[in-house]
Amino acid sequence: DIQMTQSPSSLSASVRDRVTITCQASQDISNYLAWYQQKPGKAPKLLIYDASTLEAGVPSRFSGSGSETVFTLTISSLQPEDIATYYCQQYDTLPCTFGQGTKLELK
Amino acid sequence: QLQLQESGPGLVKPSETLSLICTVSGGSIIDTRYYWGWIRQPPGKGLEWIGTIYYSGNTYYNPSLKSRLTMSIDTSKMQFSLELRSVTAADTSLYYCVRQSLVVIPATIDSWGQGTLVTVSS
Repeated sequence: DIQMTQSPSSLSASVRDRVTITCQASQDISNYLAWYQQKPGKAPKLLIYDASTLEAGVPSRFSGSGSETVFTLTISSLQPEDIATYYCQQYDTLPCTFGQGTKLELK
Repeated sequence: QLQLQESGPGLVKPSETLSLICTVSGGSIIDTRYYWGWIRQPPGKGLEWIGTIYYSGNTYYNPSLKSRLTMSIDTSKMQFSLELRSVTAADTSLYYCVRQSLVVIPATIDSWGQGTLVTVSS
């Protein structure tokens, strides 16, 4: 299985901060990477797919970049409603696998 | 708007079979663009892909669960199901049914059920 490693595991930031989360794949996955946001008690929500394509309806402050083995999710100006856990997922090879998650908290 | 709803027992005894059904509404289960699948999340932990099924019955399973897993689909009822045999406490999780986009293989997950907690305990 392809291992996905996110860093950091947790992150504390202030409103309007720029936040970056990194996801590293154990092998080349091209751009077959998605990012999800999960708020407490809720199902995850797709934010970005193909590494950098924003899902419809997702605010433009979210962006994704990267290819092959290293990817980033950036929130350009953190809002209170962005407090959540974020997961990356690779879909280059089955079984698709997720990172362990990054818990984003307000400072 | 597509809705997915899980149903099934919330408590299963060790060594028995976990069975869940997902009912699809607000969209077509025979949409050729999508697979239908299951993802689980142990309490307080991360996400694990279980497997996925196409309207034709074609399946992909996580190799870590394949020996205990069967998925099926009933297009007339707009339902798909999961059976996981010989469960242990390690199978205690929140189980989500999902819709997974088909690229070359099942890919991104664009719709999720609300999730159903299944506890394995005697």
